[in-house]
Amino acid sequence: GGIITQTPKFLIGQEGQKLTLKCQQNFNHDTMYWYRQDSGKGLRLIYYSITENDLQKGDLSEGYDASREKKSSFSLTVTSAQKNEMAVFLCASSIGGSQDTQYFGPGTRLLVL
Amino acid sequence: GQQVQQSPASLVLQEGENAELQCNFSSTATQLQWFYQSPGGSLVSLLSNPSGTKHTGRLTSTTVTKERRSSLHISSSQTTDSGTYLCAIDRSNYNVLYFGSGTKLTVEP
Repeated sequence: GGIITQTPKFLIGQEGQKLTLKCQQNFNHDTMYWYRQDSGKGLRLIYYSITENDLQKGDLSEGYDASREKKSSFSLTVTSAQKNEMAVFLCASSIGGSQDTQYFGPGTRLLVL
Repeated sequence: GQQVQQSPASLVLQEGENAELQCNFSSTATQLQWFYQSPGGSLVSLLSNPSGTKHTGRLTSTTVTKERRSSLHISSSQTTDSGTYLCAIDRSNYNVLYFGSGTKLTVEP
């Protein structure tokens, strides 16, 4: 078995601030993902990475940067936090093929004042 | 427009009743997965079913690929089944998922 760890659990930021969220997995999975979930809505893909140093944009990549520093870690940066923004950011990983299960972390809850 | 639509948006049942959740998708899917999100927010995969019928425990999923729809049947619901059920499709072969908004299930004792 394995686990996905996301830090921090809660993040409170100020408008215009650059904020970084971190994700670590010990499954030894090749592919990692960042999703955003707004209240009452499904998940939307921000970025994904199929291997170390690879980055692929999802539908929601504008306003975000990502970095796959090594196989086990994937970071997401909100480049300029928007006032009153509130969302949960979920990290996931999978072996990579279409039939493979994605495993999710517990999420980082963002609130921008 | 939305690629994955789920219905109903919410459902309240008494313990022991069966639940039927629907998922319709607007584009060809190479993969379809059902996920459970607990009230606390953690998300787990329930099953993958790109076509046909699959069973696991009290869950049965039926996907009719040509009609771009899938259902998830939960038999003999329990209070611990309460949470949000999400349907997701992969349009590519790279495990890039598109999620519906979910069905929030509440099972009352």
